[in-house]
Amino acid sequence: DIQMTQSPSSLSASIGDRVTITCQASQDINKRLNWYQQKPGKAPKLLIFDASNLQTGVPSRFGGSGSGTDFTFTISSLQPEDTATYYCQQYDNVPPGVTFGPGTKVDIK
Amino acid sequence: QAQVVQSGAEVRKPGSSVKVSCRASGGTFSSHGINWVRQAPGQGLEWMGGIIPIFGTAHYAQQFQGRVTITTDESTTTAHMELRSLRSEDTAMYFCALSRGVVVIGDAFDIWGQGTTVSVSS
Repeated sequence: DIQMTQSPSSLSASIGDRVTITCQASQDINKRLNWYQQKPGKAPKLLIFDASNLQTGVPSRFGGSGSGTDFTFTISSLQPEDTATYYCQQYDNVPPGVTFGPGTKVDIK
Repeated sequence: QAQVVQSGAEVRKPGSSVKVSCRASGGTFSSHGINWVRQAPGQGLEWMGGIIPIFGTAHYAQQFQGRVTITTDESTTTAHMELRSLRSEDTAMYFCALSRGVVVIGDAFDIWGQGTTVSVSS
């Protein structure tokens, strides 16, 4: 099974800061990597699919990059409403499987 | 735009079973993967398995093999997840989520249900 790690596990940043989260897969997953935002008591929300594609309706301050085993998620200018936990997720279809990273909690300093 | 609505909260005793439902509307139910993801209190997200309704074959995460069954009813555009031999560690929020692409299970999940709380306690 593919294992996912994320760092940091939590961070505090100021409004307007650039925030970066990294995600590492235990083996090459090409670009099969997605990013979600989850607020307390709510379902996760898809932000980035296939490593770098912005989901429709998601603000452009969110971005993703990477391929293979190393991926990066960025918030270019942190806003108050970005307080949440962010998860990376890898997937495969031969056979079908999905693994989430442990999450990164982002709050405002 | 597709959306999914899940059944209500459940309380069960250890050793029993629970069946959670997820009704889809507004989209092409048959061709998108339907997945189940759970989240224990204060913990991360855990994929349990998924199914593509037109194929009818479910795939499960190894840790749930033999204890979970995912099915669909195309006549009501509803997916069901049954978890058996419940233990206290199964207390969690259970989400259904649709795969973004067609005829795939592994994918980005772009449509999520509101979640169903399952509590397991003696």
